[in-house]
Amino acid sequence: DTGVSQDPRHKITKRGQNVTFRCDPISEHNRLYWYRQTLGQGPEFLTYFQNEAQLEKSRLLSDRFSAERPKGSFSTLEIQRTEQGDSAMYLCASSPGGRNFPLREQFFGPGTRLTVL
Amino acid sequence: AQTVTQSQPEMSVQEAETVTLSCTYDTSENNYYLFWYKQPPSRQMILVIRQEAYKQQNATENRFSVNFQKAAKSFSLKISDSQLGDTAMYFCAFRPGGGADGLTFGKGTHLIIQP
Repeated sequence: DTGVSQDPRHKITKRGQNVTFRCDPISEHNRLYWYRQTLGQGPEFLTYFQNEAQLEKSRLLSDRFSAERPKGSFSTLEIQRTEQGDSAMYLCASSPGGRNFPLREQFFGPGTRLTVL
Repeated sequence: AQTVTQSQPEMSVQEAETVTLSCTYDTSENNYYLFWYKQPPSRQMILVIRQEAYKQQNATENRFSVNFQKAAKSFSLKISDSQLGDTAMYFCAFRPGGGADGLTFGKGTHLIIQP
């Protein structure tokens, strides 16, 4: 299957620990997005990459959140010093880019559910 | 900043009925894209239908169609001949036509199809 994959699917951690999530996009997609979804809400946009360049990061929730996509393929989202309020589903999506794809439809992965105790 | 409003937290209809989910949005952009996503229980988000704002014709995908009213900033989703598998959360999403790529989502409508 060549869909978007995320790892791990579930993560339980203690407050104050650091966590890192991985996203593998659809192989031919050059754009990759991170969202956070809390219970009963729609996804909230965090950041996105075009190839290895992070083009938008002002929406990251605090300086404890950071994302990388070093080789323009997979991406990681790290949360440092986790807090209970960080408990949520973290979604990754990818899309094609360029003039041939103006819609840039985003395809989502299954998400990583984070629980901070 | 754009906002997306879905005013129906939950809807329930009988199988085979037609149901319409509402979505309104607020933007000062003239060029943008609108999407409906489906999120089944414990499963990943799936794109249902999309609409380019510059196209007057309403998008249709099999049993799913939209009623796009640009002046009213309204983008409703109609599901015809509803099926049990349509039970899910439905999210309306907006993306401006310029460089910013992040989607703005509504809070969602929980649609329940009753047998």
